[in-house]
Amino acid sequence: SAVISQKPSRDICQRGTSLTIQCQVDSQVTMMFWYRQQPGQSLTLIATANQGSEATYESGFVIDKFPISRPNLTFSTLTVSNMSPEDSSIYLCSVERRPGSYEQYFGPGTRLTVT
Amino acid sequence: GDSVTQMEGPVTLSEEAFLTINCTYTATGYPSLFWYVQYPGEGLQLLLKATKADDKGSNKGFEATYRKETTSFHLEKGSVQVSDSAVYFCARRVIQGAQKLVFGQGTRLTINP
Repeated sequence: SAVISQKPSRDICQRGTSLTIQCQVDSQVTMMFWYRQQPGQSLTLIATANQGSEATYESGFVIDKFPISRPNLTFSTLTVSNMSPEDSSIYLCSVERRPGSYEQYFGPGTRLTVT
Repeated sequence: GDSVTQMEGPVTLSEEAFLTINCTYTATGYPSLFWYVQYPGEGLQLLLKATKADDKGSNKGFEATYRKETTSFHLEKGSVQVSDSAVYFCARRVIQGAQKLVFGQGTRLTINP
């Protein structure tokens, strides 16, 4: 399995501000994914981030609200912009360690509360 | 589209009871299927997977068999322990496009001693 870390682990933010979440992997991976897990809900894919190209966003998610960077094969960031209380969620990054396996390994998550 | 439907929770059992958590998927192709587990305060962990019809995934005493005829991938364990208390997510690979997963809504399992 991959070792994945996320920073911060949790944060409480004010409405209208932005937060950048970092995801670091212990080895090079092609694909990284960002998910949102709203309270008591399942995981929803926000976007897929490949190194060297623009992130691919899922329906209902836009780059202006959730800009993503992927500067190299071990690191990615997700920014939650202009936050509102509805953005309170756990944000998780994941990677597919072995290409083609479809096995995703998840980071510990970032618990975001917007007041 | 590609989707997964899980048994509604929460599920509460006594220790050593038999566990089944139902999962069905939409029958578009033959996707890889997964069970993930989220222990309290922790991130998701891959529990087991199956990649083709009749495959059986197993890990930590849990099993799930890929049933093409019923489009199901039910999770079972013969004798649960308190430490199995967690939220369990069924997931499938999306056939079209990149290596994406679609998750079920999750089933919260509580095992009482």
